Amino acid sequence: AQKVTQAQTEISVVEKEDVTLDCVYETRDTTYYLFWYKQPPSGELVFLIRRNSFDEQNEISGRYSWNFQKSTSSFNFTITASQVVDSAVYFCALTTGANSKLTFGKGITLSVRP
Amino acid sequence: EAGVVQSPRYKIIEKKQPVAFWCNPISGHNTLYWYRQNLGQGPELLIRYENEEAVDDSQLPKDRFSAERLKGVDSTLKIQPAELGDSAVYLCASSPTGLAGGETQYFGPGTRLLVL
Repeated sequence: AQKVTQAQTEISVVEKEDVTLDCVYETRDTTYYLFWYKQPPSGELVFLIRRNSFDEQNEISGRYSWNFQKSTSSFNFTITASQVVDSAVYFCALTTGANSKLTFGKGITLSVRP
Repeated sequence: EAGVVQSPRYKIIEKKQPVAFWCNPISGHNTLYWYRQNLGQGPELLIRYENEEAVDDSQLPKDRFSAERLKGVDSTLKIQPAELGDSAVYLCASSPTGLAGGETQYFGPGTRLLVL
């Protein structure tokens, strides 16, 4: 069985603040893949990043960065200098090498105030 | 390149009525997924197709839900009859092959269903 926990439900920050979204996962498989998706009010899930279990290198893409730590089963997402357009629901998701089913967390609602 | 297309975007029906959702995946993507997203929750897989074959439908409530992907491209998800608890967003996603696992799934805008 696999599980994704996003303990934070809602976060509110003021524009230009940094914010970190937490994600903790559980799986017995040694090969697995982690994802982050953004869901703006329009409803479409927008792919942000994919990470496999063999690559613990952190990644930075513009204002976005991801910290993958197998020792703590975490895959956290940081937005630097947040902007109003970052307001959305953010989902962390997990799938294993054995199948293509994505298991999602419950999502974190991020509100960035001007 | 066009993304995943879904229609309709919104649907309001009375309970016990039938409803159908349509999905056109990204061109060339062999794997198609239907997810249901309840309010305040993450999406949950209903069914996965590899070309025309449904390879994982274990979460599909088969008494009232059906799906098809006749030519391995477009897909239709149907509910008959709809119940109040079916109110949700129905998301379609696609990925290139789905064979290796871990492929990125690209989602459409979803259909918001409200059953009254």
